[in-house]
Amino acid sequence: RKEVEQDPGPFNVPEGATVAFNCTYSNSASQSFFWYRQDCRKEPKLLMSVYSSGNEDGRFTAQLNRASQYISLLIRDSKLSDSATYLCVVNYPGFQKLVFGTGTRLLVSP
Amino acid sequence: DTGVSQNPRHKITKRGQNVTFRCDPISEHNRLYWYRQTLGQGPEFLTYFQNEAQLEKSRLLSDRFSAERPKGSFSTLEIQRTEQGDSAMYLCASQPGTGERTEAFFGQGTRLTVV
Repeated sequence: RKEVEQDPGPFNVPEGATVAFNCTYSNSASQSFFWYRQDCRKEPKLLMSVYSSGNEDGRFTAQLNRASQYISLLIRDSKLSDSATYLCVVNYPGFQKLVFGTGTRLLVSP
Repeated sequence: DTGVSQNPRHKITKRGQNVTFRCDPISEHNRLYWYRQTLGQGPEFLTYFQNEAQLEKSRLLSDRFSAERPKGSFSTLEIQRTEQGDSAMYLCASQPGTGERTEAFFGQGTRLTVV
């Protein structure tokens, strides 16, 4: 089983749509979770951290379910500029390495 | 620019040659990571430094790969006897402190093409 698994997509949605991405992780001892965004041929950049209680940043909402080892990202009112790959990232306990999923590609069309 | 800096940005080399990449992390970030990314995949962990100590090395890192961070500042990644399968984007990231929740900042990467 992969350490972090994501649906690779692509997710094709119209502007204004709501879209949700899911991610599962295998190490139950992981303590920190993040969503990174990566534009084509660019480096990954932090979109948001994911906290146990769930957190929201504008149109973006992240949720964590520790019992199911599952993380989600919800994007409301999609914009063309949201088109990118969204990477689920889990911090491995111990040496604290960051483990990335393969990413989910989002394409928002007019 | 005070972000993570990687050099060179692009490298084309012939199979069998050695290559070395450099990463300058954000000043005073004591944690440094190297990742490799191929098309359609997420970044794959290669190795991790805390200050000058290399604390973890992935099994992906064969004997042909070596990384150093001699003074706990910049780091180098060397690939000896390159193979076509080494073609990828090599990303460096740095992170401050020891907390788990701190953001990792990535450089723009070095794109390696082995011909």
